[in-house]
Amino acid sequence: EIVLTQSPGTLSLSPGERATLSCRASQSVSGNYLAWYQQKSGQAPRLLIYGASSRATGIPDRFSGSGSGTDFTLTISRLEPEDFAVYYCQQSGRSPRTFGQGTKVEIK
Amino acid sequence: QVQLQESGPGLVKPSQTLSLTCTVSGGSVNSGGYYWTWIRQHPGKGLEWIGYIYYSGSTYYNPSLKSRVIISVDTSKNQFSLNLTSVTAADTAVYYCARDNGGFDYWGQGTLVTVSS
Repeated sequence: EIVLTQSPGTLSLSPGERATLSCRASQSVSGNYLAWYQQKSGQAPRLLIYGASSRATGIPDRFSGSGSGTDFTLTISRLEPEDFAVYYCQQSGRSPRTFGQGTKVEIK
Repeated sequence: QVQLQESGPGLVKPSQTLSLTCTVSGGSVNSGGYYWTWIRQHPGKGLEWIGYIYYSGSTYYNPSLKSRVIISVDTSKNQFSLNLTSVTAADTAVYYCARDNGGFDYWGQGTLVTVSS
């Protein structure tokens, strides 16, 4: 199975700052089927990015995804108060589907 | 707008079978191209993919759970279901159903299942 490793584990930033989250795969993600999710406490995850770089419906353009093969990045250009949450990457290129362990973006 | 809703017991005894159903509205489980999926999240932990069923009935399960999992679909009710046998306390988690469209674009709100006697 494809193991996804996210870094850092925790990112401490202030509102207005730029957040850069990394996701590294143990092998190439087929078709760049790499997605990013945001999860807030007590809520289901929300799809942000699919296909490595396509924003899901209704997602603000401050969220962007990039990368291919084994290295992927989620960037939040300017953090809003509602962006402080846990973020997961996930691959659908091969079964079993797998998730990264998550990156927590917290207020500094 | 597609909506998914999990239902089932919130408490299951050890060694018994956990059974959950996901009801889909605003879309059809018979639609090609989607994998109807179960995901769980242990308290305070990350997300674990359990498995999926395709509209054709084909399934794929997480190898770590494969011996205990069955996912089925009832097209007449527009539902799909999860059965997890021989549960232990380690199966206590929030269980989500979701639609896999190359990313999980629609999710249920999740249901907490506790395994305890």
